[in-house]
Amino acid sequence: SQQGEEDPQALSIQEGENATMNCSYKTSINNLQWYRQNSGRGLVHLILIRSNEREKHSGRLRVTLDTSKKSSSLLITASRAADTASYFCATDRRGGSNYKLTFGKGTLLTVNP
Amino acid sequence: NAGVTQTPKFQVLKTGQSMTLQCAQDMNHNSMYWYRQDPGMGLRLIYYSASEGTTDKGEVPNGYNVSRLNKREFSLRLESAAPSQTSVYFCASSYDSGGYERESYEQYFGPGTRLTVT
Repeated sequence: SQQGEEDPQALSIQEGENATMNCSYKTSINNLQWYRQNSGRGLVHLILIRSNEREKHSGRLRVTLDTSKKSSSLLITASRAADTASYFCATDRRGGSNYKLTFGKGTLLTVNP
Repeated sequence: NAGVTQTPKFQVLKTGQSMTLQCAQDMNHNSMYWYRQDPGMGLRLIYYSASEGTTDKGEVPNGYNVSRLNKREFSLRLESAAPSQTSVYFCASSYDSGGYERESYEQYFGPGTRLTVT
């Protein structure tokens, strides 16, 4: 079953605007990660936020984590056409000896010039 | 550093044919993964290897086998390809902390293999 679910499935904005994507998950986690995928390419890691952190920044990216609501958001500020990509959240579930990093289905972000 | 490399980039198979997808990483990571990506389905884990010499099933292992040849290399084999295995396949590697309560850290992905089974 899908651990992380992104919302919205697709988002279209103008260059310079901010883009916000959300991720909800079901079980307790060690960390939550965000990845970007340009069309036809492999995923690229953007940022990792641990369960004891509430907010993290990296350049124009801001990630928040609310473990009480089991949700995270990714904010891209001052978007550029080059930010056009699919964005995935992935959650590392706490406990157990099986694989624990599970990816959501992604948000397709289109930034129009 | 090449990171994670995959071969081939593209492959077309007929139903029933077999093939092996190769993956190698040069980052000294202990964990390696094979995923498939289908439209609207996101990434689904096929198999993973938490360390050299160990492999475990992921979410969708049926129809596949894997070999962790050494710390660097992790191959995925389709013994008898089916049209349902048409997909894009990604290999990834990462460090994870090991043990029962292990934590997985950022994964590094290869460029993918586009496989079509007719």
